[in-house]
Amino acid sequence: DADVTQTPRNRITKTGKRIMLECSQTKGHDRMYWYRQDPGLGLRLIYYSFDVKDINKGEISDGYSVSRQAQAKFSLSLESAIPNQTALYFCATSDPDRGYGYTFGSGTRLTVV
Amino acid sequence: QKEVEQNSGPLSVPEGAIASLNCTYSDRVSQSFFWYRQYSGKSPELIMSIYSNGDKEDGRFTAQLNKASQYVSLLIRDSQPSDSATYLCAVDNQGGKLIFGQGTELSVKP
Repeated sequence: DADVTQTPRNRITKTGKRIMLECSQTKGHDRMYWYRQDPGLGLRLIYYSFDVKDINKGEISDGYSVSRQAQAKFSLSLESAIPNQTALYFCATSDPDRGYGYTFGSGTRLTVV
Repeated sequence: QKEVEQNSGPLSVPEGAIASLNCTYSDRVSQSFFWYRQYSGKSPELIMSIYSNGDKEDGRFTAQLNKASQYVSLLIRDSQPSDSATYLCAVDNQGGKLIFGQGTELSVKP
């Protein structure tokens, strides 16, 4: 099993719908992150969490919310999806034994129509 | 000025050559630097980390860091077609979160 698992892998949704992307990890890391990747814009941070009680906004948090249900689970929600939220979404954990370098999940490709 | 800058490429090198990938960053307090490789349609994979000035070697990969010039690079020796990917530079400015460059696309021609 992958260390960081994201579900779903692909999702097509309609404008205005609420959608949740889920992330779980088996590495026992405290720190978890959500990024989106767009062509030409690179990876941009949406939200991050350093432990279960700690949630922080990243540079592009508008239109998104998160929930850290447990150390292993970190979910991202789009309250009312819009087409410019079409992107590739990655969850990641950071490893203190690797200088807090990230391990990424496989990604969720989200299309909002 | 972007916080982490990379040439987008594509950078094309022949098989067996040295590929040189460059990255500059703007925040002088940055302490940790990472290189990720991302194949098309896949997630980024950590290949190198560096924290001190100088060179760090791991197999065919060498990371170089110059904090005075705010510059970090990745050299890939004996490049192979399987090295063709996008390489992402990432910097931790002590906030506990990484800032990524846009990536450099590398193409290794047989």
